[in-house]
Amino acid sequence: QLQLQESGPGLVKPSETLSLTCTVSGGSISSTSHYWAWIRQPPGKGLDWIASINYSGNTYYGGTLRSRVTISVDTSKNQFSLRLNSVTVADTAVYYCARLIDCTTSCYFDPWGQGTLVTVSS
Amino acid sequence: DFQMTQSPSSLSASVGDRVTITCRATQDIKNYLGWYQQKPGKGPKLLIYAASTLQSGVPSRFSGSGSGTDFTLTISSLHPEDVATYYCQKSGMFGQGTKVEIK
Repeated sequence: QLQLQESGPGLVKPSETLSLTCTVSGGSISSTSHYWAWIRQPPGKGLDWIASINYSGNTYYGGTLRSRVTISVDTSKNQFSLRLNSVTVADTAVYYCARLIDCTTSCYFDPWGQGTLVTVSS
Repeated sequence: DFQMTQSPSSLSASVGDRVTITCRATQDIKNYLGWYQQKPGKGPKLLIYAASTLQSGVPSRFSGSGSGTDFTLTISSLHPEDVATYYCQKSGMFGQGTKVEIK
């Protein structure tokens, strides 16, 4: 059974860089059929897709954070990562990683990690 | 700009009730719609994709319908464990969510 687990600092200072890693177990990140994604959810709010990547490094970025975000993949470690530059308190959120399925027509997120809360505060 | 609007934003129903949540897109998205369930403190779970296809392991009391711009998620008989927030999704965009509670 495929599982995803987010990891990274829970507290980041304003203006610094947020870095998170998603470790995939129970399956290979090198699957040619799937993309991998980061999504975030500010406290008490809805879901916001950040970026997606596949095993060969093809990337897609959402509009709201595009200029500050980098997504990358490490197939040797079965991991993919997120970097968000110049964070502010507005970037405080639970960050989720997920696999994308059925992208021949429209992608769906399944499964999801449990999420990790990142707080931006001095 | 493309948007997806869910209604209602919240609802309260009794155990055993039929519950219906709607999602409207501002342009034709064919059947390219997913539905997710998020329980408190947990990551979302895919319930339905391609508007009406039940994801493996999801109880049959959940169903989806619609195409084009108007879509519906139905819980045929509400169970206590269905208390959650439900989201619709098209590609990288999610609806704002519908919180379902037990009356």
